[in-house]
Amino acid sequence: DTGVSQDPRHKITKRGQNVTFRCDPISEHNRLYWYRQTLGQGPEFLTYFQNEAQLEKSRLLSDRFSAERPKGSFSTLEIQRTEQGDSAMYLCASGRWGIQETQYFGPGTRLLVL
Amino acid sequence: GQQLNQSPQSMFIQEGEDVSMNCTSSSIFNTWLWYKQDPGEGPVLLIALYKAGELTSNGRLTAQFGITRKDSFLNISASIPSDVGIYFCAGHNNNDMRFGAGTRLTVKP
Repeated sequence: DTGVSQDPRHKITKRGQNVTFRCDPISEHNRLYWYRQTLGQGPEFLTYFQNEAQLEKSRLLSDRFSAERPKGSFSTLEIQRTEQGDSAMYLCASGRWGIQETQYFGPGTRLLVL
Repeated sequence: GQQLNQSPQSMFIQEGEDVSMNCTSSSIFNTWLWYKQDPGEGPVLLIALYKAGELTSNGRLTAQFGITRKDSFLNISASIPSDVGIYFCAGHNNNDMRFGAGTRLTVKP
């Protein structure tokens, strides 16, 4: 257990539905990252927050994706109008900005869009 | 997609054997990280390297940060069945972290 939790662990939805995932980072960490991982690949960066500010978004993050971290603690990732290509593992990681930063991952949310 | 070249893609070894895998990049990184991922779980940090040339051990695992800052390797000595999994390298600069495609390790008892 890395101390990063994600909910739900699994989600099955129908194409066109909206889904929301939650990540609770390690409490003293001010940075929170979202990644997407497909089968046979390493995680791919989606976006990250420093405290409550969203500082960078990957071009992988289409307009249907939105992430928030309203109080600088937990974060949510919402996917609107899901498509079959959204099926993947969504990983959250937290870290503390500064020298020797390291990212600790949660267990992930596996999404299947039917 | 990934910008790190990780090899080999997979390894099948006998319990007790040593394992070596490596990662190369066209870009310089300030930090190299090695993670292990079990099926259905998130990656777990094994070793973090912060200085070029640094050699760091964690039990039976040893990793090195290449002098050019464009490569790293991970060695596992005396493998055991629970070493089975996918090992990922990651290069990190500030807010940018890139992963290799992973090395799938199978250990035969």
